[in-house]
Amino acid sequence: NAGVMQNPRHLVRRRGQEARLRCSPMKGHSHVYWYRQLPEEGLKFMVYLQKENIIDESGMPKERFSAEFPKEGPSILRIQQVVRGDSAAYFCASSRQGESNTGELFFGEGSRLTVL
Amino acid sequence: ILNVEQSPQSLHVQEGDSTNFTCSFPSSNFYALHWYRWETAKSPEALFVMTLNGDEKKKGRISATLNTKEGYSYLYIKGSQPEDSATYLCASKGGKLIFGQGTELSVKP
Repeated sequence: NAGVMQNPRHLVRRRGQEARLRCSPMKGHSHVYWYRQLPEEGLKFMVYLQKENIIDESGMPKERFSAEFPKEGPSILRIQQVVRGDSAAYFCASSRQGESNTGELFFGEGSRLTVL
Repeated sequence: ILNVEQSPQSLHVQEGDSTNFTCSFPSSNFYALHWYRWETAKSPEALFVMTLNGDEKKKGRISATLNTKEGYSYLYIKGSQPEDSATYLCASKGGKLIFGQGTELSVKP
């Protein structure tokens, strides 16, 4: 049973380009979480999704950032018109249970975005 | 407490020492308290998920306690080993899972 798979592991973009980060949850998991780790900081919650639904996006910047988790395929975190401040490690995690339950999160190895 | 707070921020101990860390979290709208271990260049891995006031959990030399009324949890490591060196994260689930900044533990042989 493969773990949470994130790709790409490393992504370099120039200012103004778009970045797309993908996350395939563990088999049987229907809940996906995205976290951002800025340099010298901890994990900051961005968004929580179930299949085809955004449950909580209170940690997402209002502009340029979007996330989806379609019925088929991986979850995608999309950053449009990237700026240097978007350089960070983006971690995806999945769980078996829903928001109101107590399932532990299984993390991917992260996608490291560098904006030149 | 509005955020999840951990202390100390970092800790340096000798092999064989026992140590403990603190996690403070909002006691309202509480569902669960998670502890994760995050080694350098790897991804966080769950140690414990606790839900009930007074919960105590143990895994080998590592144990944790939970007080939901006052909003704190302790993580204990007995007889620290160099392989225990990692960042230990706690996270509170009151809806979404919010992480603390972590305690970075370094165990010297």
